[in-house]
Amino acid sequence: DTGVSQDPRHKITKRGQNVTFRCDPISEHNRLYWYRQTLGQGPEFLTYFQNEAQLEKSRLLSDRFSAERPKGSFSTLEIQRTEQGDSAMYLCASSSGDRYGYTFGSGTRLTVV
Amino acid sequence: DQQVKQNSPSLSVQEGRISILNCDYTNSMFDYFLWYKKYPAEGPTFLISISSIKDKNEDGRFTVFLNKSAKHLSLHIVPSQPGDSAVYFCAASIGNEKLTFGTGTRLTIIP
Repeated sequence: DTGVSQDPRHKITKRGQNVTFRCDPISEHNRLYWYRQTLGQGPEFLTYFQNEAQLEKSRLLSDRFSAERPKGSFSTLEIQRTEQGDSAMYLCASSSGDRYGYTFGSGTRLTVV
Repeated sequence: DQQVKQNSPSLSVQEGRISILNCDYTNSMFDYFLWYKKYPAEGPTFLISISSIKDKNEDGRFTVFLNKSAKHLSLHIVPSQPGDSAVYFCAASIGNEKLTFGTGTRLTIIP
C-alpha cells in the first residue's frame, strides 16, 4: 500500500466549470476526510466519511460541493460552478480511528481562472 | 473563530540548537493534540501527538508539552537539523474526530 493517493495533483479550470477530484485511502482505513487549505492558513475540515456514510459536513461545504464514498472505498469531491474563491489545495486523509493521527495525501491544487 | 492559534508565522534556529514551536487553543473540549510537518507540494506528515491526560510525550528528537490550564502546547526539536526546515501545524480534536488546525509556523534551520 502506497498511502493515500489523490488525483489529479493539479487542476486549472475556468470559472463556472465543474471539477471532480478523487481520493484513494489506505485500504484498511474506514475513515476518510476532506480538508481545504488556502495560502497562509492551516487545513480546514470539509467533510468526513466512516465507510460509505457521510457523517459530518462543514458549513464551508456549500451546496456547490458534494462528496461521495461509494462502497466505502475511494472518495470523490465535486465542485460545481467553480468560483475563484474555490482556488485552494484540497487534501484527503484517511484513518483507522486509532490515536496515531491521519495519513494525508499530497493534495490536489485547484486554480480557478 | 480561530480555535487553534500559532502566533509565530516563522522561526529561524541555528542547526544543533533547540527549536520551540508554540500553539494555543481556546476550546477546552479538545482532548487530543497533534503536530504535523509539511513540505511544499506535499500533504501534512504526522509527527507526534499527546492526549489531554498527559503533559509530555517524547519521540526521539521531538517532545510535545501540554499545559491544559494555560491551554498551551509546544513542540521541542533538539537538536535541530537542516531537514527540519518546513511548515509545522498544530492540530486538535475532540474524541479523535475531525482536526482543527492552526495557521502554521515556518521553521528554518540555519546551517
